Amino acid sequence: QVQLQESGPGLLKPSETLSLTCTVSGGSIGSSYYYWGWIRQSPGKGLEWIGSVYFSENTHYNPSLKSRVTISADTSKNQFSLKLSSVTAADTAVFYCARHQYYYQTSGLVGYFDYWGQGILVTVSS
Amino acid sequence: EIVLTQSPGTLSLSPGERATLSCRASQSVSSSYLAWYQQKPGQAPRLLIYGASSRATGIPDRFSGSGSGTDFTLTISRLEPEDFAVYYCQQYGSSPQTFGPGTKVDIK
Repeated sequence: QVQLQESGPGLLKPSETLSLTCTVSGGSIGSSYYYWGWIRQSPGKGLEWIGSVYFSENTHYNPSLKSRVTISADTSKNQFSLKLSSVTAADTAVFYCARHQYYYQTSGLVGYFDYWGQGILVTVSS
Repeated sequence: EIVLTQSPGTLSLSPGERATLSCRASQSVSSSYLAWYQQKPGQAPRLLIYGASSRATGIPDRFSGSGSGTDFTLTISRLEPEDFAVYYCQQYGSSPQTFGPGTKVDIK
């Protein structure tokens, strides 16, 4: 059974960089069958896909966040990470990591999410 | 990007009743790449259905999905107490994948 667990600070100030890590157990993020993604959920915007990573090299991001997001993976630790720069109060949300069953379309990477972490609340406030 | 609309916003039903939830897309979802999730308070979303009609591992057969193009439906044939939750649809026919705003199924 694949399990995912998010970790990182729960409180940030505006303009800081959000950094979260997802630790995966019961499966390898080095598998060629899956991407590994981040999704956030806020009262204002609902569920929003942030981006996904494949091995340590291939990344795809939501265009709405692309300028501020970096996702990376460390296969030796079976972890992947999210960095979101220049946060504002609008970035306050519960952040989830998830396994991404992927397909490639002409528009880019798509897929559904079959295993999720429990989520971590990140609040941006001065 | 494809915008998803879910209706109704809230569905008030009794255990044992049938629930029919709708998800409509702003443009056709290619290959019926549509998923449904269930979310309970304080929990992560749980995958129920992918490919519009395929049940995920371990999902009871009282959950079924149907539809194509722009109109999709999730049906719960007989509501069990544990089914009262919020349900989201997600399209993955076009990037970026997007989610609907959800339908809350609560106890009447």
